[in-house]
Amino acid sequence: QKEVEQNSGPLSVPEGAIASLNCTYSDRGSQSFFWYRQYSGKSPELIMSIYSNGDKEDGRFTAQLNKASQYVSLLIRDSQPSDSATYLCAVFYPGTGFQKLVFGTGTRLLVSP
Amino acid sequence: KAGVTQTPRYLIKTRGQQVTLSCSPISGHRSVSWYQQTPGQGLQFLFEYFSETQRNKGNFPGRFSGRQFSNSRSEMNVSTLELGDSALYLCASTLSPGPLNEQFFGPGTRLTVL
Repeated sequence: QKEVEQNSGPLSVPEGAIASLNCTYSDRGSQSFFWYRQYSGKSPELIMSIYSNGDKEDGRFTAQLNKASQYVSLLIRDSQPSDSATYLCAVFYPGTGFQKLVFGTGTRLLVSP
Repeated sequence: KAGVTQTPRYLIKTRGQQVTLSCSPISGHRSVSWYQQTPGQGLQFLFEYFSETQRNKGNFPGRFSGRQFSNSRSEMNVSTLELGDSALYLCASTLSPGPLNEQFFGPGTRLTVL
């Protein structure tokens, strides 16, 4: 089982719609969760971090965390063509003596005008 | 505040050569992590440095090594390059190691091995 799983997509949504991106993780001890956006040919850019169960909102972005279900999601409201990118979910893996940030393979989002 | 910088941005090498990549973290950040990104494997953790010490290492062969200097700048070295080493190498900095500190990425170095 992969440590962090995401649907590779592409997820296609029309402009103005809500895009919902999902991520599951395998380690119940994971404490922190991050969403990065990566445009083609560019490096990942941090969008959101979330550490406790529930929702966290920042502008058009809402991150949702459910530790019991080992599930993290990112909602993008009023999607714009400029949101078209690959979204990477990252989970801090708290291994004994070996901690690291583990990334999913990303979901490609396409927002059509 | 300046972001993470990486040099060079692009490199072309041939098999068997070695390469050194450089990363300067955000001012005040003392932890640097390196990642390899390929289309097939995604983002893979290479190693993390803090206070000039390697804290963690990913599952890569010994040809991949790194170091950190007293000013927190970091370098990674790949010896005896193989075709499969062609990738985007990313450096990320954070204030210090730990689950609560966000990592910020540099622009990356795109390495092509011919």
